[in-house]
Amino acid sequence: DIQMTQSPSTLSASVGDRVTITCRASQSISTWLAWYQQRPGEAPKLLIYKASNLQSGVPSRFSGSGSGTEFTLTINSLQPDDFATYYCQQYKSNSPPLTFGGGTKVEIK
Amino acid sequence: QLQLQESGPGLVKPSETLSLTCTVSGGSISSNSYYWGWIRQPPGKGLDWIGSIYYTGSTYYNPALKSRVTISVDTSKNQVSLRLDSVTAADTAVYYCAKHFAAAHFDYWGRGTLVTVSS
Repeated sequence: DIQMTQSPSTLSASVGDRVTITCRASQSISTWLAWYQQRPGEAPKLLIYKASNLQSGVPSRFSGSGSGTEFTLTINSLQPDDFATYYCQQYKSNSPPLTFGGGTKVEIK
Repeated sequence: QLQLQESGPGLVKPSETLSLTCTVSGGSISSNSYYWGWIRQPPGKGLDWIGSIYYTGSTYYNPALKSRVTISVDTSKNQVSLRLDSVTAADTAVYYCAKHFAAAHFDYWGRGTLVTVSS
């Protein structure tokens, strides 16, 4: 199985900050990586797919980068709506399992 | 706009079977290239993929759950179903259904349904 490790697990930041979340894969997944945002009590929402492609309707302050085993999600100028938990997910192939990282909670500082 | 809605019992007894249905509206479950997956999230924890199905009935499962899971599709009702046998308290979670393409990200999600395993 491909393991996904996110860091940090919790991040404290202020409105207007730039934040970066890292996701590492246990083996190369090329750019087969997605990022999701989950607010409390809600379903996850797709932000980024194929490592750096912004999903339609997602604000441009979100961006993704990386390939192989190391990936980052960057939020420029953090907004109040952005305080949430973020997950990465690999989908290298249809060979199971599809795996998620453990999550990064972005808290208000 | 595609919408997914999970439904089923909110309480299941230990050793019994958990059964959930995902009803798809705003689009056909038989659309070419669409897969339909189930993901769960234990309270306060992260996301775990359970398995996925193509409209033809082709399935693939998380090996950790494969022996207990069955996912099926009813194209006439535009529904996907999840069955999880021999449940324990560890199966208590919010269960989501979601759409994806083959080996891809989940772009549409249902709102999820909480299932508690308790006697």
